Amino acid sequence: QDQLVQSGAEVKKPGASLKVSCKASGHSFTNYAIHWVRQGPGQRPEWMGWINTGNGNTRYSQKFQGRVTITRDTSASTAYMELSSLRSEDTAVYYCASGFSYADCWGQGTLVTVSS
Amino acid sequence: EIVMTQSPATLSVSPGEGATLSCRASQSISSTLAWYQQTPGQAPRLLIYDASTRATGIPARFSGSGSGTEFTLTISSLQSEDFAVYFCQQYNKWPQTFGQGTKLEIK
Repeated sequence: QDQLVQSGAEVKKPGASLKVSCKASGHSFTNYAIHWVRQGPGQRPEWMGWINTGNGNTRYSQKFQGRVTITRDTSASTAYMELSSLRSEDTAVYYCASGFSYADCWGQGTLVTVSS
Repeated sequence: EIVMTQSPATLSVSPGEGATLSCRASQSISSTLAWYQQTPGQAPRLLIYDASTRATGIPARFSGSGSGTEFTLTISSLQSEDFAVYFCQQYNKWPQTFGQGTKLEIK
């Protein structure tokens, strides 16, 4: 059974940085891509970026360009999403999800609260 | 970016009845559309991809149709577990974008 397990909830102050992990199990980590999607309270999901876990290529939404970095550690079957210069509007649940185009397996989500 | 618009925002239906949810893209996306179901506190769950292909394990009462800019998700004979929020998503162009969701509630 494919599974993505994310790191736990975080509380951050404005201006800080965030790093969320996403560990994959169930099939070869390098056979697919990992998306990062966030969802604010009562909001639609918002796609942030994507990494091809095989070759490390990344693609980011222009909205987050310069603030987000997605990486992976193939030896640990884990992908990471870093978001810098946090502001209150970044308060959301952050999800990783696998799939080259659509996302067919999702992590449980990581609640991130940005508050002074 | 491509804007996805869903209608209606809320749909009230009785169990056992059918429901039709709509999704419109601001430009043609061919058939590169997915539908997701989300219940409170849970991650989205893939239902349909490529506009009309059911994901693994999804019951046959869920069906998708459409291409270009107009898409439909049809749920026949609603079960209690089907009352949730449904999102459409396009993956034709970066950035991928989602609709604002349709809440399917019990009438």
